[in-house]
Amino acid sequence: DTEVTQTPKHLVMGMTNKKSLKCEQHMGHRAMYWYKQKAKKPPELMFVYSYEKLSINESVPSRFSPECPNSSLLNLHLHALQPEDSALYLCASSLPRDNTEAFFGQGTRLTVV
Amino acid sequence: GENVEQHPSTLSVQEGDSAVIKCTYSDSASNYFPWYKQELGKGPQLIIDIRSNVGEKKDQRIAVTLNKTAKHFSLHITETQPEDSAVYFCAASISTSGGSYIPTFGRGTSLIVHP
Repeated sequence: DTEVTQTPKHLVMGMTNKKSLKCEQHMGHRAMYWYKQKAKKPPELMFVYSYEKLSINESVPSRFSPECPNSSLLNLHLHALQPEDSALYLCASSLPRDNTEAFFGQGTRLTVV
Repeated sequence: GENVEQHPSTLSVQEGDSAVIKCTYSDSASNYFPWYKQELGKGPQLIIDIRSNVGEKKDQRIAVTLNKTAKHFSLHITETQPEDSAVYFCAASISTSGGSYIPTFGRGTSLIVHP
């Protein structure tokens, strides 16, 4: 199994809603990542978890709240988002060793209305 | 921090031609250089990577070269096919103490292969 599975694939939410994005991998990877990607732009790193602990937060607004409940799961909780937060949210994972391949999920296409 | 420049932003070729995408990086501490292909509506997929102790790597129609002195690396695709059409991202990665992998991406190149 070399997949990173993200759900849902598409999400439309209002600015007052609370929703969660989910990411799952069963490759034994202990580093997991959230990226945000706007159209025609490269992915931008948001958060990094290493061994289920948050190791990097790239100054992301608090309306995005990550959670890593176990070594296979990564969540991104969303609350009070703005329309400009609409983007493709990508999850990735890798072995916790220097410079190994990162596997990306297919992403969740988020639209905030 | 690391800065990765990627050129060209758009590359249009005829089927069967070769395509070359070039990237430069700024931080000499970067030691891992992956290339990703992203098709419309999908996540990036690693197609080839190279580490700083290697100058060239090839996998069938795809090759990557690295010049550490000049801090640039390139992707070469030979005998292009329409299914090679996608956005390609280069990246440069610096190791972290936590063992995670933090790539800095280039802006991307939209490759269009005309049948």
